[in-house]
Amino acid sequence: NAGVTQTPKFQVLKTGQSMTLQCAQDMNHNSMYWYRQDPGMGLRLIYYSASEGTTDKGEVPNGYNVSRLNKREFSLRLESAAPSQTSVYFCASSVLPNTEAFFGQGTRLTVV
Amino acid sequence: AQSVTQPDIHITVSEGASLELRCNYSYGATPYLFWYVQSPGQGLQLLLKYFSGDTLVQGIKGFEAEFKRSQSSFNLRKPSVHWSDAAEYFCAVGADDYKLSFGAGTTVTVRA
Repeated sequence: NAGVTQTPKFQVLKTGQSMTLQCAQDMNHNSMYWYRQDPGMGLRLIYYSASEGTTDKGEVPNGYNVSRLNKREFSLRLESAAPSQTSVYFCASSVLPNTEAFFGQGTRLTVV
Repeated sequence: AQSVTQPDIHITVSEGASLELRCNYSYGATPYLFWYVQSPGQGLQLLLKYFSGDTLVQGIKGFEAEFKRSQSSFNLRKPSVHWSDAAEYFCAVGADDYKLSFGAGTTVTVRA
């Protein structure tokens, strides 16, 4: 019973490199989210997908893109990484928007 | 848009003492309300939720929270804390715009 699985768990990038964070859920949830967590700022929503086939910007979308590949998978892409994107990234899913979200274990990303 | 305020950045409590964490939200109607806990290096785990009905809700690990509409608050309580309750706690609000908004978090330290 995996729940929400994120890969990788850790990543170091050089400024300007690109990468994709992967997220998959096996709970048949409709909605999926990407958050970033920075000290003293809680979790800030980057992008979300209320249902398969839709994506919308959250609070801090600049520098990111997302793809809802299918109902299970929601990926986050950094096209040209910047040091300001150093953070811990969490993927989450929920049955419906606004209902309880289930979180992955996080990806710790460092951009040097 | 909704917002969440957790006034206390850090709380230290003795083992066996009671704990109360404050959460205030800003939203025109009654939102969905959640408390999550995050242990170091881990993802977020749902403690409890409020959608409607009884304003005192019980959660896991002996936690409870009370929704007070007049104060726009959803404070978390535990009568007697254990060393394992040391963690970061997040209040979250879900409203009409299909996403959860999180507070900045409160770090709880438990002293022996």
